[in-house]
Amino acid sequence: GDSVTQMEGPVTLSEEAFLTINCTYTATGYPSLFWYVQYPGEGLQLLLKATKADDKGSNKGFEATYRKETTSFHLEKGSVQVSDSAVYFCALSGSSNTGKLIFGQGTTLQVKP
Amino acid sequence: SAVISQKPSRDICQRGTSLTIQCQVDSQVTMMFWYRQQPGQSLTLIATANQGSEATYESGFVIDKFPISRPNLTFSTLTVSNMSPEDSSIYLCSVTFRDSNEKLLFGSGTQLSVL
Repeated sequence: GDSVTQMEGPVTLSEEAFLTINCTYTATGYPSLFWYVQYPGEGLQLLLKATKADDKGSNKGFEATYRKETTSFHLEKGSVQVSDSAVYFCALSGSSNTGKLIFGQGTTLQVKP
Repeated sequence: SAVISQKPSRDICQRGTSLTIQCQVDSQVTMMFWYRQQPGQSLTLIATANQGSEATYESGFVIDKFPISRPNLTFSTLTVSNMSPEDSSIYLCSVTFRDSNEKLLFGSGTQLSVL
């Protein structure tokens, strides 16, 4: 079945460092791909998404490109801030139903000043 | 943007009891879902709440343990029945809207602890 694999955390970075969180997926058909973020004490929020190959999702300085050839959707940010400290989830939605998401295990990011 | 109200936000319950979680949306939605996030783990889909009919459960989840209702387009409940400590999790309601993006939004979740 469909699945999502994220890099293990936690990831600890200094402020203004470059961030990459790896995400790879296995799916049949043409899934949509998402990154969700969960800030401490808050609910899950959509960060960005891409619905077809070579699409780039971007938001708040974060970017991810849908790479069908490598089945990847890595999250990147050029310069992280302390306020980016959160848990990041990669997820996919099968081509038939955008409401049912399969999530990766989540990666905790801690940014130190 | 739409507002999803989920309550209670947290509860501490005794083993063997049941808890009903409510999810209310301030606009009509196309689909409603219930997810579970166990401690330190990712989110897992429990079921799709269908309006006016029985919910569609994912593998590993059954109606007797997690009865779900959806009487209209904006409201759903999830009951966690005969609870045990293994049911301690965050339970999240999520919805999609009838627009071109079909964006999935999440409620703030219910933190459940079972003693």
